[in-house]
Amino acid sequence: DGGITQSPKYLFRKEGQNVTLSCEQNLNHDAMYWYRQDPGQGLRLIYYSQIVNDFQKGDIAEGYSVSREKKESFPLTVTSAQKNPTAFYLCASSMLGRETGEFFGPGTRLTVL
Amino acid sequence: SQQGEEDPQALSIQEGENATMNCSYKTSINNLQWYRQNSGRGLVHLILIRSNEREKHSGRLRVTLDTSKKSSSLLITASRAADTASYFCATDAIQGAQKLVFGQGTRLTINP
Repeated sequence: DGGITQSPKYLFRKEGQNVTLSCEQNLNHDAMYWYRQDPGQGLRLIYYSQIVNDFQKGDIAEGYSVSREKKESFPLTVTSAQKNPTAFYLCASSMLGRETGEFFGPGTRLTVL
Repeated sequence: SQQGEEDPQALSIQEGENATMNCSYKTSINNLQWYRQNSGRGLVHLILIRSNEREKHSGRLRVTLDTSKKSSSLLITASRAADTASYFCATDAIQGAQKLVFGQGTRLTINP
């Protein structure tokens, strides 16, 4: 089955620690995205990547970092510099140049203790 | 920057009734998309309407787009309990890289 996976589903971390969220897709999509969602809110774009070894900041990149070493993978690191990291994180992917919409993973809920 | 503004923020109707949600946006777009999110889950793509289209249907969904008013509506006919979810519009702006800007969403509750 083709799809996009995120792990873990729930993540707890202590204040001051970095944590990495995994996102993998086997849809052969060129573009991948990371969003943050706070309770009762819409999605805000953190980072996106359209090709391997290249990525761009979204609207709320401060305190986050990403890498795109493989087409299938786009991990997100939430650093200790992120002041309010508790949120629901969603990864998505899409084909470039085709209007097919974005495919979303199931999300990772991060809680900072 | 949040481009999409959705209205209403919450909607509660009886099963079998129609549900209408509206979305307004600010800049010129290539297309507008609607997504559904069940509680605690990822988003699911429902329908995409291009800037040169005025109306599109998919099953019980009907989407309209008015580029002169920069607005769109999503109509769900003959609603079912399983339609209970949050619905988001997202715009793909003409200028800039291919990325979406999401609205705040409409929380739809279908009462049995």
